Amino acid sequence: EAAVTQSPRNKVAVTGGKVTLSCNQTNNHNNMYWYRQDTGHGLRLIHYSYGAGSTEKGDIPDGYKASRPSQENFSLILELATPSQTSVYFCASGLRQPNSDYTFGSGTRLLVI
Amino acid sequence: GQGVEQPDNLMSVEGTFARVNCTYSTSGFNGLSWYQQREGHAPVFLSYVVLDGLKDSGHFSTFLSRSNGYSYLLLTELQIKDSASYLCAVREPNYNVLYFGSGTKLTVEP
Repeated sequence: EAAVTQSPRNKVAVTGGKVTLSCNQTNNHNNMYWYRQDTGHGLRLIHYSYGAGSTEKGDIPDGYKASRPSQENFSLILELATPSQTSVYFCASGLRQPNSDYTFGSGTRLLVI
Repeated sequence: GQGVEQPDNLMSVEGTFARVNCTYSTSGFNGLSWYQQREGHAPVFLSYVVLDGLKDSGHFSTFLSRSNGYSYLLLTELQIKDSASYLCAVREPNYNVLYFGSGTKLTVEP
């Protein structure tokens, strides 16, 4: 069954440390997205990609990098984690067609202390 | 990006209906999607609309007015299990990027 898998599910990181959130999709979708979700803000777009080797900035890219080494994998990297990056992170994949649904991963809960 | 606004909370009664409103202001528009999200879970797709008017999908219906930048999700014959957050998201023309509102938490009471 086609799916989007995120790892880890939960992560505790130290301020100033490096954090990598991973996302793998088996949907063969061109596009992949990283969002964070905080109370009162809904889902906010951090980075997205339209294919292997591409990354684009979303609305809130500061403090985050992204990497798309293959069609299946899309990583979000926090080089120097800060407490303000404590959040729930969702990865999603989708086709380029506008009437196609996103498939979301189950989310990663990140706590930066 | 896009500006997408939703009320924070909505309460209704089992067996009746609830209308979740969404307003948006956009630099580009390629349709609007609705998602349901339960606490601690990922959003689940409900509906996509791009043409004006009402789209009836049974338990869920969606309305769109592009000239007014307005959409709503209508849930009929409410059940307790419909209690969840409902997210409105506008699709940008390039790369199918979705811009989400903050979501409306619907509480259905007995």
